[in-house]
Amino acid sequence: DTGVSQDPRHKITKRGQNVTFRCDPISEHNRLYWYRQTLGQGPEFLTYFQNEAQLEKSRLLSDRFSAERPKGSFSTLEIQRTEQGDSAMYLCASSLSPDSNQPQHFGDGTRLSIL
Amino acid sequence: SQQGEEDPQALSIQEGENATMNCSYKTSINNLQWYRQNSGRGLVHLILIRSNEREKHSGRLRVTLDTSKKSSSLLITASRAADTASYFCATVDMFSGGYNKLIFGAGTRLAVHP
Repeated sequence: DTGVSQDPRHKITKRGQNVTFRCDPISEHNRLYWYRQTLGQGPEFLTYFQNEAQLEKSRLLSDRFSAERPKGSFSTLEIQRTEQGDSAMYLCASSLSPDSNQPQHFGDGTRLSIL
Repeated sequence: SQQGEEDPQALSIQEGENATMNCSYKTSINNLQWYRQNSGRGLVHLILIRSNEREKHSGRLRVTLDTSKKSSSLLITASRAADTASYFCATVDMFSGGYNKLIFGAGTRLAVHP
């Protein structure tokens, strides 16, 4: 169990650029979640995958955001035409069981700063 | 959107003292979970309490749940400097459709001084 891995840890980019983040979940986990966390706040749910299927998207996920999980393994989150308000920590989590009484395992996140 | 409030927003104590954090939520839940986050890091799961449970212990942690008041508390006994972190409660909505997304509070920032 190597834990959830996220890459990069930090990303600084200019407004209007596209960025892509990667998440590698714990290998046997079939559920993968993306959250966004702004300074001083708790994480907010963005989207969720069961295997390769994206089953739920938050209203926070505008058309500029897209997430994929090809082959049900790693996942990518892309933000197009970044805006100042996109500056945040993007967290990925995974879990094994469909049982809701299982914890989610989080990566250390990607901190995005928009100049 | 955030599920509810956490109280206090910040807590500063000395090593050896107990720390109590409270969490309120708004909906009917399957379970409530507590997570810890060190600065600049991801969240670490601490403890999960199901909606039909009232109290749970894990090491120096004690969690209570009152579903009639839609509230929970986390007690850390005999605190250590290494307990300095932000603590978040998170709920799984009973009607989440099995997706199990976590709804977090805004967190309590705990500082434990040597």
